Amino acid sequence: EDQVTQSPEALRLQEGESSSLNCSYTVSGLRGLFWYRQDPGKGPEFLFTLYSAGEEKEKERLKATLTKKESFLHITAPKPEDSATYLCAVQGVLGGGNKLTFGTGTQLKVEL
Amino acid sequence: KAGVTQTPRYLIKTRGQQVTLSCSPISGHRSVSWYQQTPGQGLQFLFEYFSETQRNKGNFPGRFSGRQFSNSRSEMNVSTLELGDSALYLCASSSSGTMTQAFFGQGTRLTVV
Repeated sequence: EDQVTQSPEALRLQEGESSSLNCSYTVSGLRGLFWYRQDPGKGPEFLFTLYSAGEEKEKERLKATLTKKESFLHITAPKPEDSATYLCAVQGVLGGGNKLTFGTGTQLKVEL
Repeated sequence: KAGVTQTPRYLIKTRGQQVTLSCSPISGHRSVSWYQQTPGQGLQFLFEYFSETQRNKGNFPGRFSGRQFSNSRSEMNVSTLELGDSALYLCASSSSGTMTQAFFGQGTRLTVV
C-alpha cells in the first residue's frame, strides 16, 4: 500500500525566511509525485508534478525536488500570501487510474 | 474554461439519512475521482469513474457509492449516514489518461448531526 508522510505538521516563518517542507513516500512503483496548495475552505490547487528522481520544478518562490524516497518543497523568501496547507500526493503503479495517496499536509504560516 | 463544480457547497443531515453530492468536471475531462477530507485522516480516496465505469475504489464501506453519467458528471451517494461521515468531500477531474494533473472542486461540506 502506498504511503506518504509529510513533515513538519506545522511551520511558522517570518516573511523572507526560507525553509523546506518534506514529503517521504513508499510506493510500489512511482508514476508521479504531486504537490498541492490548499487554502481554508477551498479545494487543493495544483502546484507541481514530478516523475523521476533528480527532477526539479520551480514556480515563483517555490521549488520542488524529488529523490527515490522523498520530495522537498523549498520556499524562498516567503510572503504572507504563501500561508496555506501544502499537500503531497503520490500515484503508484498499483491500482491504476488516477488514484492519489495524500499525506496529511504541512500547515504553513508566514508572518510579517 | 470553467473549473470543477460541486454542489451543494454545504449540507446538514441527520444520522440515518442518505445524501447525494454532485460534481461537474472540466469540459472534456472523462475521469472523476472523489475524496473524503477530515482533520484527522487528511484526504482519502473514495473512488474514480472513467467513461461511466468505476475504475478504482478505496477502502470505504458499501454505504459510499457513486456513478458517472454520459456527460461525465458524477454523483456520490452516502446511505445511512453516521456522525463520522462529517467531512469535506472533494471531487477531482482529470483528462483521459493516467498520470495527469487532477483539478479539484471547492468541495461539499457535509455535517451529520
